Amino acid sequence: RKEVEQDPGPFNVPEGATVAFNCTYSNSASQSFFWYRQDCRKEPKLLMSVYSSGNEDGRFTAQLNRASQYISLLIRDSKLSDSATYLCVVNLGTGRRALTFGSGTRLQVQP
Amino acid sequence: DTEVTQTPKHLVMGMTNKKSLKCEQHMGHRAMYWYKQKAKKPPELMFVYSYEKLSINESVPSRFSPECPNSSLLNLHLHALQPEDSALYLCASSQVQDNEQFFGPGTRLTVL
Repeated sequence: RKEVEQDPGPFNVPEGATVAFNCTYSNSASQSFFWYRQDCRKEPKLLMSVYSSGNEDGRFTAQLNRASQYISLLIRDSKLSDSATYLCVVNLGTGRRALTFGSGTRLQVQP
Repeated sequence: DTEVTQTPKHLVMGMTNKKSLKCEQHMGHRAMYWYKQKAKKPPELMFVYSYEKLSINESVPSRFSPECPNSSLLNLHLHALQPEDSALYLCASSQVQDNEQFFGPGTRLTVL
């Protein structure tokens, strides 16, 4: 089992749709969680940190489910500009002291 | 200043060349990172510096040599690279190791 696992997609959705991605992680002691967005041929950019109580930033909502060891990202009212790869990033808390990246989920929002 | 800068943006080098990639941040971050990213793959960690000391080396071949001259600068010295080393090289920084990271725009390296 991969340490951080994501569905690679692509998710093809129409503008205005709601789309959700999940990401599972292997270590129950994992300490911090992030969603990054990466556009083609650009660097990853921090979208949001994921807190235990869940958090929302405009159209984006992130949730953490420690019992089932996954985090989720919900995008409401999708825009064409949301088309990108979404990377799940986890501090697995294994003592390695580095973040572990999932392989990314590709989202394509269509007009 | 809330950005990480990298130079050069593009680099083409032969297998016998020696070149260096540079990264700079002025956010007062004490951890800096080098990643390698191939097309359609996630970034792959190479090195981590924490408080200017090498903290993690992910068994990277010695033809890649990192250097952290001070808390704002990170270099990656390249020598005798192979064509399969062609990739996007990303620098990142974080307040301390383990925190959320902020990435530079990367250097796109082609080895001929």
